[in-house]
Amino acid sequence: GAVVSQHPSRVICKSGTSVKIECRSLDFQATTMFWYRQFPKQSLMLMATSNEGSKATYEQGVEKDKFLINHASLTLSTLTVTSAHPEDSSFYICSARGRGRPPYNEQFFGPGTRLTVL
Amino acid sequence: DQQVKQNSPSLSVQEGRISILNCDYTNSMFDYFLWYKKYPAEGPTFLISISSIKDKNEDGRFTVFLNKSAKHLSLHIVPSQPGDSAVYFCAASADSNYQLIWGAGTKLIIKP
Repeated sequence: GAVVSQHPSRVICKSGTSVKIECRSLDFQATTMFWYRQFPKQSLMLMATSNEGSKATYEQGVEKDKFLINHASLTLSTLTVTSAHPEDSSFYICSARGRGRPPYNEQFFGPGTRLTVL
Repeated sequence: DQQVKQNSPSLSVQEGRISILNCDYTNSMFDYFLWYKKYPAEGPTFLISISSIKDKNEDGRFTVFLNKSAKHLSLHIVPSQPGDSAVYFCAASADSNYQLIWGAGTKLIIKP
């Protein structure tokens, strides 16, 4: 199957700093990328959807100025958590969907990034 | 408003027996359903899917059943193996958009 990578896999930062997480599709062109956040014992929460070359669409309740998403190419999307605070500590997962990849609507997920804000 | 519900937070099954994970949905516009498996600190892995034009899809030990009238789907794993211990997420999507709507997940524990 298609491979999606995320970097870094784990990051610890101080409160107030910004953190950038990269999501790459390694062997296919991802026309759409999704960013999710997982809270403990809860489902994956979709944060935003981004199509290559256009602005991301954020879900209700997600601050777009805090979670900056850039999808500059068909293989790379970045999520920047700006001025991170302890409540932003979470597990962030990206997924990618390529053009014409069967089966319909399948998303390929990255391994996730564990963010800890001290 | 939870459109996709997995009402069992956890399920414990004896190795070798059948594991049945359930999922209910409320949106009749959903036409594609997927099951993902997730280990701790890893991203979800696609397991099996089913289109609304079918009522069953089988792949090795995994079978997904869809009951559209009841808005219910289930994932059967038989025989269950220790490596199947993970959290299983049910997800659905509608033709009008490409977003996946996720259930809360069910933690499956396979006992030796």
